[in-house]
Amino acid sequence: DAGVIQSPRHEVTEMGQEVTLRCKPISGHDYLFWYRQTMMRGLELLIYFNNNVPIDDSGMPEDRFSAKMPNASFSTLKIQPSEPRDSAVYFCASSSSGNSYEQYFGPGTRLTVT
Amino acid sequence: QKEVEQNSGPLSVPEGAIASLNCTYSDRVSQSFFWYRQYSGKSPELIMSIYSNGDKEDGRFTAQLNKASQYVSLLIRDSQPSDSATYLCAADSGGYNKLIFGAGTRLAVHP
Repeated sequence: DAGVIQSPRHEVTEMGQEVTLRCKPISGHDYLFWYRQTMMRGLELLIYFNNNVPIDDSGMPEDRFSAKMPNASFSTLKIQPSEPRDSAVYFCASSSSGNSYEQYFGPGTRLTVT
Repeated sequence: QKEVEQNSGPLSVPEGAIASLNCTYSDRVSQSFFWYRQYSGKSPELIMSIYSNGDKEDGRFTAQLNKASQYVSLLIRDSQPSDSATYLCAADSGGYNKLIFGAGTRLAVHP
């Protein structure tokens, strides 16, 4: 089975531009998580969905960040406008209810904002 | 504030030795615990999960859980240079199906 798929793998953009990160969870998984990882702050949970509904967005740093999950096989994380401090690796992970919280991570998107 | 604490390392062990990685968690409600391995530039990979007190073995890996002490550990036997990575400990956040991650311990296995 295919794992979690993320695109793009690398994104370089200029400050002020809109950035959209994409994720396809593992088929059959009903939970989807967006994380951000930096050297300074480690792995941070930004938001997670259950059955396409946002459950907890308390980790979203500010209004510049938004996430959607229009269907069970697709989610986006958007940053508008982007800032240099948003530079990080963004991971998407998914899990299945009843699998005791086991999460599987995608390969990540390395975002650089200049 | 629910927390998972790990020593950042680096933990340096010789090839063939046992590497011992430790983790403590703050939320007594947590029931599920995980170890992820993350190679430099890669994503976290789930290597062990443990839900009950005691030991769980999988190949060269043994996870240990002590809920009374709120302590989780990972033992890697016969350590290999390919085990050199950052190991992240995670605990569930008490029924919310999200995980709290530690900052990770960097392991270096030298020949």
